[in-house]
Amino acid sequence: EVQLEESGGGLIQPGGSLRLSCAASGFTVSTNFMSWVRQAPGKGLEWVSIIYSGGSTYNADSVKGRFTISRDNSKNTLYLQMNSLRAEDTALYYCARYLHNYEYFDYWGQGTLVTVSS
Amino acid sequence: QTVVTQEPSFSVSPGGTVTLTCGLSSGSVSTSYYPSWYQQTPGQAPRTLIYSTNTRSSGVPDRFSGSILGNTAALTITGAQAADESDYYCVLYMGSGISVFGTGTKVTVL
Repeated sequence: EVQLEESGGGLIQPGGSLRLSCAASGFTVSTNFMSWVRQAPGKGLEWVSIIYSGGSTYNADSVKGRFTISRDNSKNTLYLQMNSLRAEDTALYYCARYLHNYEYFDYWGQGTLVTVSS
Repeated sequence: QTVVTQEPSFSVSPGGTVTLTCGLSSGSVSTSYYPSWYQQTPGQAPRTLIYSTNTRSSGVPDRFSGSILGNTAALTITGAQAADESDYYCVLYMGSGISVFGTGTKVTVL
């Protein structure tokens, strides 16, 4: 059974850094495309970042230069390193498996909440 | 800046039919954008409904269907049920790893 479990969220001051984790089971992270999607309180979903099985990464303009997606193959875990955090980064962050060639998100975690506030 | 537009809200009667659309701020949506659709109820993670325009994800009832309607992608709920009251989001694939979520449609069944 495919499962995704996010962790690492919390309250952080503006300008601070945080690393989110997404532990996967039931499949291998390194041979799949993986993505982060966020949802600000009361708002819609926003695509944040993706890592291809080959290692290429892409980010939304809103986080470019501040967020980095990566993975640890030995731990079968996806990460999102978030630096220079802003109030507008406050959101529930979901990790999702992305099915290449069909171009959609097929499995989702339950999310981890990041609150950026002083 | 690409904007993917959806109707803010729709109301449908139980047993009725509703069609949600997903458009581009500039240009037409085609199958080349691999439209997909997701359902989200409050406090829950999104659930995948439709991918590649019109393929239902595993376990999704056949009252949900996807299509291209004119210059938009469309999600039709036929025979709406109370359980279908949710927010619905489309996603379009823009190439180069980039996906863009639509603005979302809140569907009320009453």
